[in-house]
Amino acid sequence: EPEVTQTPSHQVTQMGQEVILRCVPISNHLYFYWYRQILGQKVEFLVSFYNNEISEKSEIFDDQFSVERPDGSNFTLKIRSTKLEDSAMYFCASTGGSYEQYFGPGTRLTVT
Amino acid sequence: RKEVEQDPGPFNVPEGATVAFNCTYSNSASQSFFWYRQDCRKEPKLLMSVYSSGNEDGRFTAQLNRASQYISLLIRDSKLSDSATYLCVARIIGGGMRFGAGTRLTVKP
Repeated sequence: EPEVTQTPSHQVTQMGQEVILRCVPISNHLYFYWYRQILGQKVEFLVSFYNNEISEKSEIFDDQFSVERPDGSNFTLKIRSTKLEDSAMYFCASTGGSYEQYFGPGTRLTVT
Repeated sequence: RKEVEQDPGPFNVPEGATVAFNCTYSNSASQSFFWYRQDCRKEPKLLMSVYSSGNEDGRFTAQLNRASQYISLLIRDSKLSDSATYLCVARIIGGGMRFGAGTRLTVKP
């Protein structure tokens, strides 16, 4: 069964550093998403991406965040200057023709 | 007001019990609805989509009432493996999903 993959599984970084979280969506999917989940809190939408551009972003997705699809398979989330409050689990998701989104296993980001 | 609201629980039920979860959403532009389950420190996994006509998948039945902006999930004959957090989700066409905070279920022997 095809699945969404994410790397790394755990990233530790110092405050102020840039991080790039990587995702490989399911191969024939066209819509891509990033979500985050702070420990003990709900899953929060960050951004959706279709046809090489952002289609929707939440108020969380400020200028510190950016997304890119650098090639035909990867989808990345960059945080330019990490803050302590960026510590969370970051999930990538993708969907094809249906509205059902499939999630990757997540990257746990710890900012120290 | 939260976009999607759920009773956080916890629901502690014995094996074999029937348990129902409720959820309300505030954005009337929401078009698609889902139930996901999430195990501790894992990714959300799609349980089922929810349709106005109601839909069933084995022991699970989901219902949507657009007029009252209400979604439900019924689990019959609970199994130990059903223990998880159940996430109610609403989505506007073309947009990202909005999650409820989840309802925690523990099924006990």
